[in-house]
Amino acid sequence: AQKVTQAQTEISVVEKEDVTLDCVYETRDTTYYLFWYKQPPSGELVFLIRRNSFDEQNEISGRYSWNFQKSTSSFNFTITASQVVDSAVYFCALRDGRTSGSRLTFGEGTQLTVNP
Amino acid sequence: NAGVTQTPKFQVLKTGQSMTLQCAQDMNHNSMYWYRQDPGMGLRLIYYSASEGTTDKGEVPNGYNVSRLNKREFSLRLESAAPSQTSVYFCASSLRPVVDQPQHFGDGTRLSIL
Repeated sequence: AQKVTQAQTEISVVEKEDVTLDCVYETRDTTYYLFWYKQPPSGELVFLIRRNSFDEQNEISGRYSWNFQKSTSSFNFTITASQVVDSAVYFCALRDGRTSGSRLTFGEGTQLTVNP
Repeated sequence: NAGVTQTPKFQVLKTGQSMTLQCAQDMNHNSMYWYRQDPGMGLRLIYYSASEGTTDKGEVPNGYNVSRLNKREFSLRLESAAPSQTSVYFCASSLRPVVDQPQHFGDGTRLSIL
């Protein structure tokens, strides 16, 4: 079955700290895509990154970096030198070819609070 | 560029009332989706439309109907609202209904059923 687990429900850090959000997924498909979305307090969902199952290279975008490890079925997200504007709920999601409509299966989300 | 636009943003209904949530996208996307977001459960797919003229059930379709009016618009209807349908509803679209396409979301509709 397709499943995404974000074990950290809430994380609170002080500004400038580094923080890692964990994501563990389950799928029986060999071709799949992993996504991260950000949901700020205003409520919209913002697409951050997409990674396919054949590309295990880490990716860095400014203060954001992603660590994809197939061996542990994890796709973790690190924010370096966190800022108050990073406060949001972050969702990890999975999409594979076995699920009807190729829907996104979301984790439950991690509420990140960055305090000044 | 508006992206995905949902109306209304907020709505309060009484049990048994009906309502249609509207969604429109201006990105020339082929596929559109309706999700609901409940506390502690992430987002769950209600219905989707892989392309104009087709609709299919998602994970939690009971109590809902949809209409893909044209390529731009995809509406979600609650025929007889129930308190269990209190949720935040998100519409999304993607260029194609395939695994590699990111979905782009609207701002959500906050619906309360009393």
